[in-house]
Amino acid sequence: GDSVTQMEGPVTLSEEAFLTINCTYTATGYPSLFWYVQYPGEGLQLLLKATKADDKGSNKGFEATYRKETTSFHLEKGSVQVSDSAVYFCALSDRAQGGSEKLVFGKGTKLTVNP
Amino acid sequence: GAVVSQHPSRVICKSGTSVKIECRSLDFQATTMFWYRQFPKQSLMLMATSNEGSKATYEQGVEKDKFLINHASLTLSTLTVTSAHPEDSSFYICSAREAGGQRNEQFFGPGTRLTVL
Repeated sequence: GDSVTQMEGPVTLSEEAFLTINCTYTATGYPSLFWYVQYPGEGLQLLLKATKADDKGSNKGFEATYRKETTSFHLEKGSVQVSDSAVYFCALSDRAQGGSEKLVFGKGTKLTVNP
Repeated sequence: GAVVSQHPSRVICKSGTSVKIECRSLDFQATTMFWYRQFPKQSLMLMATSNEGSKATYEQGVEKDKFLINHASLTLSTLTVTSAHPEDSSFYICSAREAGGQRNEQFFGPGTRLTVL
């Protein structure tokens, strides 16, 4: 079945450091790919998404490119801020699954940014 | 827009009792709502998908008689954990898909922390 594997955390960075959180996937169809963010005490929020190969999703300085050849969707940010501290989830939604559009999540990566 | 609320945010109950968790879409109509369970340091695991006015579809391994789901209106779905036991303690999260919205976009609630003593 479909699955998502993302790098184990926690990740601790200093403010203005470069961030990469790796995510790879396996899917039987043509998935859409997502990054969700969960701030402390809050629900998941969609950070960015890409629906087809070579698409780049971007939001709030974060970027991720849908790489079909490497089945990856790595999250990057050039300069993190303390306010970026949160748990980040990579996810996929497979349109081949009879239209059910279920989301499959990775385990999440906790990011802490220190001032 | 696209706000989903859950109530309660935290609940503590005794073993053997039942607990009801509500999930509401506040500013949109949700034809489909999803219920997830999140264990510490683990991913969100889909428990069931509910469509307004019909029976929920449960994922493999999820007991439908233990986790009762009702989606009686386009803005409300409820999850009832029946005869709760300590192993049911977890973080339960709902999400909702807007009627007529993109099929792959879900809006998440803030979650409910259930502790069974």
